[in-house]
Amino acid sequence: DTGVSQDPRHKITKRGQNVTFRCDPISEHNRLYWYRQTLGQGPEFLTYFQNEAQLEKSRLLSDRFSAERPKGSFSTLEIQRTEQGDSAMYLCASSRSGAGETQYFGPGTRLLVL
Amino acid sequence: AQTVTQSQPEMSVQEAETVTLSCTYDTSESNYYLFWYKQPPSRQMILVIRQEAYKQQNATENRFSVNFQKAAKSFSLKISDSQLGDTAMYFCAFPGTGTASKLTFGTGTRLQVTL
Repeated sequence: DTGVSQDPRHKITKRGQNVTFRCDPISEHNRLYWYRQTLGQGPEFLTYFQNEAQLEKSRLLSDRFSAERPKGSFSTLEIQRTEQGDSAMYLCASSRSGAGETQYFGPGTRLLVL
Repeated sequence: AQTVTQSQPEMSVQEAETVTLSCTYDTSESNYYLFWYKQPPSRQMILVIRQEAYKQQNATENRFSVNFQKAAKSFSLKISDSQLGDTAMYFCAFPGTGTASKLTFGTGTRLQVTL
């Protein structure tokens, strides 16, 4: 059973550029979550998918952010026109819906916007 | 909205000793789950232990156990026989209500295990 994987692990970009991150969940998991974690803080929820449907988005997710999960498997998170405040660790987690749902996290993508 | 509070930003424990990390939360739900996650330095978040609120018995996973006080909304993590590999950030997490189980995390406790 392979865990959640994320790519790239690190990304350095200049302000104003677009970036895209990928998450591959555990294969039998139907839910996929994106979180953002800044230094010294706990992760904060951004959005989640059940299969291919994006069911909830946080107010943290400005219109520069877009996420997709086109076939209900991997997901992408795109940030357009990056700002220095976007610098953070972006975490992906997957789970199987149901009672006692437990999320399993990937290693994260660390983004630095210069 | 759910809130999760971890009041100990940093803790230190000697190898082989026992340490308890505290967590309190706020909810109007009666049935829910609570989680402790561990995030070692520069490594990914891993699940330590899970507690079901309707179960009176405290969850245990090897050296890790919880002290769950539902009425007090308290969910502390006890680590027995601490090992150097336990050095990490520890986060208490609580899922949302409704159909989504998005997690609300506390601010974390940085645990350092020393020789």
